[in-house]
Amino acid sequence: QVQLQESGPGLVKPSETLSLTCAVSGYSISSGYYWGWIRQPPGKGLEWIGNIIHSGSTDYNPSLKSRVTMSVDTSKNQLSLKLNSVTAADTALYYCARALHGDYGGSWFDPWGQGTLVTVSS
Amino acid sequence: QSVLTQPASVSGSPGQSITISCTGTSSDVGSSYFVSWYQHYPAKAPKLMIYEGNKRPSGVSNRFSGSKSGNTASLTISGLQAEDEADYYCCSSAIGGSFYVFGTGTKVTVL
Repeated sequence: QVQLQESGPGLVKPSETLSLTCAVSGYSISSGYYWGWIRQPPGKGLEWIGNIIHSGSTDYNPSLKSRVTMSVDTSKNQLSLKLNSVTAADTALYYCARALHGDYGGSWFDPWGQGTLVTVSS
Repeated sequence: QSVLTQPASVSGSPGQSITISCTGTSSDVGSSYFVSWYQHYPAKAPKLMIYEGNKRPSGVSNRFSGSKSGNTASLTISGLQAEDEADYYCCSSAIGGSFYVFGTGTKVTVL
């Protein structure tokens, strides 16, 4: 079955760029599907960051769009997320997930990775 | 786009039914947006429980059901079990998946 595993530095300094990868196993990214990034600040709810498909087409949360870049590496079968100019408010558990689309236009995330904690601090 | 509003906590005794509400606006939940629900245990990957408002993925117990009325979507857990104690999040997606907004989250406690 499809499995996702996030990885990256657990500590990033303010104003620097947060960089994460998501390794996908059990499915070839180049075969299709959208893939998303979602985050959860400590003690808070989930926030959608954005989605990307294997062709590189993206949809970003307008609140983060100016700072976010997503990409796919089909040769490594992995996704990447970059968030620049980070502040303490970007401290969160970051998840990657597969985005599925239904016949009636609905969309949902399944499965999710375990998440990776990123702390922004000097 | 504002987050969707959920009660912070809902509790029930084993065997009872509970309902978690997810209130949005006429621009998201109340329109043609679609709602999904996720179960989240601490330090675990969130799990899809309901998609497209009322559909269950394979393997999810039929004790979980989803519905919608106006601007409010709901997740009902019937025959509450100890293993249902977790956080639950709703999520509304724009048609085609170009935008998503999550709920504030609800902690379910089994008494």
